[in-house]
Amino acid sequence: ETGVTQTPRHLVMGMTNKKSLKCEQHLGHNAMYWYKQSAKKPLELMFVYNFKEQTENNSVPSRFSPECPNSSHLFLHLHTLQPEDSALYLCASSQRGLTEAFFGQGTRLTVV
Amino acid sequence: AQSVAQPEDQVNVAEGNPLTVKCTYSVSGNPYLFWYVQYPNRGLQFLLKYITGDNLVKGSYGFEAEFNKSQTSFHLKKPSALVSDSALYFCAVREGGADGLTFGKGTHLIIQP
Repeated sequence: ETGVTQTPRHLVMGMTNKKSLKCEQHLGHNAMYWYKQSAKKPLELMFVYNFKEQTENNSVPSRFSPECPNSSHLFLHLHTLQPEDSALYLCASSQRGLTEAFFGQGTRLTVV
Repeated sequence: AQSVAQPEDQVNVAEGNPLTVKCTYSVSGNPYLFWYVQYPNRGLQFLLKYITGDNLVKGSYGFEAEFNKSQTSFHLKKPSALVSDSALYFCAVREGGADGLTFGKGTHLIIQP
């Protein structure tokens, strides 16, 4: 409904699994973002892509690997995660500059 | 570095009364300020923003916010609260030229019938 679609909505994975989160935006924006939302903590900006180029990586562990093949798609590849990585992962997009970001519904990730 | 503080974890308001959700910020340059709302199991929805111009900004669902440069605040307000306004509210800031938004920890707004 917001023009940013995330799949899957829910994901349960073991610590040895490899999975990917997908985000697609239909708004013609040129910047995309991954945020992590954990209980009782502020949203944490993880990665920023502008025109498909990664411009920010906020000290995110290497078990999270982003990929941006074009300005409409963003992936977050996950491998050997820890239980503390369980959270809501939010994708957002914006037109780089002053405008607001539009968020997807999020993927609720549980690591067991 | 930019930062946002939302001093209240929860705000309780009776339906029909005015509401205020507080936000203060810290940036080294010009601030671009935003309010978002999040309903359970949903993403964040944009409510309003301040970039420049009039200090009183009007947004969606009857919400407004006042930018106060001297107090570095951007409080969210609504004249008459509805039960359906109950949700988690986030204040965010972007410093001019920076990528991404920095969010506060959020404030739970509970409107009691």
